[in-house]
Amino acid sequence: AQSVTQPDIHITVSEGASLELRCNYSYGATPYLFWYVQSPGQGLQLLLKYFSGDTLVQGIKGFEAEFKRSQSSFNLRKPSVHWSDAAEYFCAVGPQNNAGNMLTFGGGTRLMVKP
Amino acid sequence: NAGVTQTPKFQVLKTGQSMTLQCAQDMNHNSMYWYRQDPGMGLRLIYYSASEGTTDKGEVPNGYNVSRLNKREFSLRLESAAPSQTSVYFCASSHLAGGRETQYFGPGTRLLVL
Repeated sequence: AQSVTQPDIHITVSEGASLELRCNYSYGATPYLFWYVQSPGQGLQLLLKYFSGDTLVQGIKGFEAEFKRSQSSFNLRKPSVHWSDAAEYFCAVGPQNNAGNMLTFGGGTRLMVKP
Repeated sequence: NAGVTQTPKFQVLKTGQSMTLQCAQDMNHNSMYWYRQDPGMGLRLIYYSASEGTTDKGEVPNGYNVSRLNKREFSLRLESAAPSQTSVYFCASSHLAGGRETQYFGPGTRLLVL
């Protein structure tokens, strides 16, 4: 069965500092990988996704993620965090096949930004 | 283009009451999903509908039923609510194109069962 682990439940960074959120997955084949962000009281917004090709993926709001097959990881990064980035971040994995794609989500990482 | 919409936004139920959560999408997507979100557990799939006229169980279907009313609408029903169903419920939709699929989420329904 597929699974996703986000080892850090909470992370606090200072505004302007760099950020890396970790995501490790377990999956039997090449997966589709996603990062979503959820602001307080809001739904999930897609930040970026990896399907194939270049393993460094650019997303919205200045985020990027790198797929490392050998480490089964898909870590999210941002070079300089803004106060508006405070939110909860979810990594998800899905199969590369048919419709009715069943995404599996990690438990989430809550990001707090210090002024 | 509203994307995925959900009603109601908030609901309080007593144990044993029933209710239906509504979801609609205007993106002409084929697939629709219902998830629940609980602290520290991410999102877990309750039911999904790969296309109009089909529904399938996800990871946590017990206590729920769904109806894919048409291509746009996918409802989730709690026949006899239990406190364990207190959660935030998200609807999502997706379209398969070129073998690739991305899910887009609604704003959520916050449900409290007393």
